Amino acid sequence: SQQGEEDPQALSIQEGENATMNCSYKTSINNLQWYRQNSGRGLVHLILIRSNEREKHSGRLRVTLDTSKKSSSLLITASRAADTASYFCAPVGGFGELIWGAGTKLIIKP
Amino acid sequence: NAGVMQNPRHLVRRRGQEARLRCSPMKGHSHVYWYRQLPEEGLKFMVYLQKENIIDESGMPKERFSAEFPKEGPSILRIQQVVRGDSAAYFCASSYREMNTEAFFGQGTRLTVV
Repeated sequence: SQQGEEDPQALSIQEGENATMNCSYKTSINNLQWYRQNSGRGLVHLILIRSNEREKHSGRLRVTLDTSKKSSSLLITASRAADTASYFCAPVGGFGELIWGAGTKLIIKP
Repeated sequence: NAGVMQNPRHLVRRRGQEARLRCSPMKGHSHVYWYRQLPEEGLKFMVYLQKENIIDESGMPKERFSAEFPKEGPSILRIQQVVRGDSAAYFCASSYREMNTEAFFGQGTRLTVV
């Protein structure tokens, strides 16, 4: 399956530090998306990166994609308490469906 | 332009009852995806629909679950004879076309089977 697998499963850092989360997948993709989910809440789209892109920025977020290694990373710089959430990467399947991993639980300590 | 609307937000059903979850996609979106998130787990794809058509239901349990997206009205995810294991958050996403575009998510319906 194309399931995204996030690493680490949990990450706890001090406010102000950078947080890096990695994602690996198994087959060819058209694009890969990152989402955030606050505890018990809905999903927030963060970034979509296409297979022909290597890096993308959005505010404090930086996403990289290495299709040769079938991996992606999400970097959050200068973390804030409000960044505490679960982060999911989702490669896109053949019908445009998102194939989810278990996510990374990020905790930002004040 | 309202976002993806799911209702109800919370649904409690007794074992054996039916659960009907509704999803109204964003205006102009004709692609709807349903996902299920079990407690403390990630999301899993269930079904992909376009208007009046089920395109991919490979993630749907074979029994008791069905989905539709009629020409008019919201998409419906129907769970018959619910069991405790059906308790989960069900999310709907819509996009104006498949691939290459962001999927916009609703807030989810949290189903609790008692």
